[in-house]
Amino acid sequence: AQSVSQHNHHVILSEAASLELGCNYSYGGTVNLFWYVQYPGQHLQLLLKYFSGDPLVKGIKGFEAEFIKSKFSFNLRKPSVQWSDTAEYFCAPRSGANNLFFGTGTRLTVIP
Amino acid sequence: GAVVSQHPSWVICKSGTSVKIECRSLDFQATTMFWYRQFPKQSLMLMATSNEGSKATYEQGVEKDKFLINHASLTLSTLTVTSAHPEDSSFYICSARHLGAGSYNEQFFGPGTRLTVL
Repeated sequence: AQSVSQHNHHVILSEAASLELGCNYSYGGTVNLFWYVQYPGQHLQLLLKYFSGDPLVKGIKGFEAEFIKSKFSFNLRKPSVQWSDTAEYFCAPRSGANNLFFGTGTRLTVIP
Repeated sequence: GAVVSQHPSWVICKSGTSVKIECRSLDFQATTMFWYRQFPKQSLMLMATSNEGSKATYEQGVEKDKFLINHASLTLSTLTVTSAHPEDSSFYICSARHLGAGSYNEQFFGPGTRLTVL
């Protein structure tokens, strides 16, 4: 059965702090991995995605994520967060041509 | 990037009435559209997948007679909540998959529709 776990439910950081949000998935076979962000009052936006190749992928707004196959992980990172990064972050694996399967989300609050 | 719109953005209705939500892909053709439901402070739960011209595939636990989905064209899918009840109040989000060369079947999300049933 497919599953995805986001360990951090709510993360509070000060501006300029480094960020790492965990994501672990359980899937068989080939998997594509996505991180989406939902800013307050806005719709979901794609931050970054991994399909193949370099396991370190860079997304928009300075975010990056590293696919570690042996750990079934796809953690999201940003070296220095800004107040504008306050949002809900969702990890979403996808097995082959199937649907996205969303994690429970992590709320990030950045304090100015 | 590809744009997905939803209409209305919010709707309030009386219990027992039906509500239709539209989802449109504005600048691309979407052979597959997805409908999600998001409860406050929770993740998105997939309700159903619809392919243009065929019946929708519903996830386990989703009543297909209550949540009617129609995907009549490559740019439009509708979700009708029939005989709505207060427990149907939620945030409904649609997503469209873009099948194009090099697109890797990426999904694009609409802004969502907030339904409140009184």
